[in-house]
Order: sequence, then structure tokens, then C-alpha cells
Amino acid sequence: GEEVAQTPKHLVRGEGQKAKLYCAPIKGHSYVFWYQQVLKNEFKFLISFQNENVFDETGMPKERFSAKCLPNSPCSLEIQATKLEDSAVYFCASSREGTLNTEAFFGQGTRLTVV
Amino acid sequence: AQSVTQPDIHITVSEGASLELRCNYSYGATPYLFWYVQSPGQGLQLLLKYFSGDTLVQGIKGFEAEFKRSQSSFNLRKPSVHWSDAAEYFCAVGASGSARQLTFGSGTQLTVLP
Repeated sequence: GEEVAQTPKHLVRGEGQKAKLYCAPIKGHSYVFWYQQVLKNEFKFLISFQNENVFDETGMPKERFSAKCLPNSPCSLEIQATKLEDSAVYFCASSREGTLNTEAFFGQGTRLTVV
Repeated sequence: AQSVTQPDIHITVSEGASLELRCNYSYGATPYLFWYVQSPGQGLQLLLKYFSGDTLVQGIKGFEAEFKRSQSSFNLRKPSVHWSDAAEYFCAVGASGSARQLTFGSGTQLTVLP
């Protein structure tokens, strides 16, 4: 597709439940990035992929968070046993290459609310 | 580690007035600098970027930014603001070789008065 598609747009989970977010990158883009936006403003890098391989996961919380990009499937970000503090908007971005001078295109985000 | 500071949480300008949004960064080498805009309920849209070369960069929607190494700044400017420019603006810095692990500022909310 011509845009990064994130689903669902909104997700509500009770504390302790699992949450799974999806991201379909733009066709032909090899790199996918996940960011977490908490409190409306603060963006935090989580993880990046080069095709199905993890490229940089230095921002991923050690527990409860996992992500995958499998061939011919949307990428996913999964949170096991959600906590209130996981409430945020999760943005996915994709780019053709991994270098910073290649523009990354962002999806519209998934708003996760943990109650 | 790199960091970005946007000192102004909220700025209000009248339509047609000029605009300057401030951004200061901290990074040991030459940074990759970006300005993004986020409209309500939308993702981030890239306005402009600086990697090297001319320190005054032109972007989309009539925006420009100037890289000043001596001041560690990358301020965003627009000569005449339109009502449709009301949005949240984020400055970001990337480290070369980090494959896009961008560090974002906390954002500046722009309100445009008619």
C-alpha cells in the first residue's frame, strides 16, 4: 500500500490482559520502526526491523513487550499482561532504507487504553 | 546520548503573522535533525530535515529551518502562518548509523488565531 496502515485505531484492555497491535508498512519498504507516545507528547523509540530481522531493540522494555515482522504478514507489537502505564499511542513507521537520510513514513497510530 | 529540548510548550500566533519554534539539541557529532508536524488524530508528517550542507533548509508547506552549530539549535520558521498550520510540532535528532532511532523533543503546540 501507499501508506503505513495500523490496526486497530483504538484498543481498550483491562489491566493484565494481552494487547496486540498491527502495522502494515508501505510496499517496498524494508525497515519498520515502532514508537510509543505517552502523555500526548513524549515519543519513545521501541524497536526497529530490517525485513523480518530485529535491527535495533534497545528501546524495548525487557519484560512483557515483544514484536515481530514475518514475511507476508503485518508486523505486530504485543504486550503481555498490560499495565496502566502502557496506555499510550503506538506509532509505526516504515522506510525504504535504514539510513537517516531516507524518509520514514508514519502511520496514524493505535491508541491503547489500559483500564 | 542525544537529547532534544523544545522550550515552548504552547505558542499562539495570529494568522498571517510570522512564526519561530525553537529547538535545541545535544549530540556529540554532526546530528541528523528533523521537524515533524502532528495534526490531531494523525501520525507524524516530515516537514524538513538537515544532514549536511546548506544550514538553511526548506521544507514543505512554506516552512524552513536553520541549523546553527554554535548554538546547538535548529529553529523552525514560517513567514506567514495559516490557520491550517495549527498542530503539534516535534523536533527530533538522530545519530548517524543508528538506523533511525530518533530522539524527539516534547513538542510545541501551535494555536493560530483568526
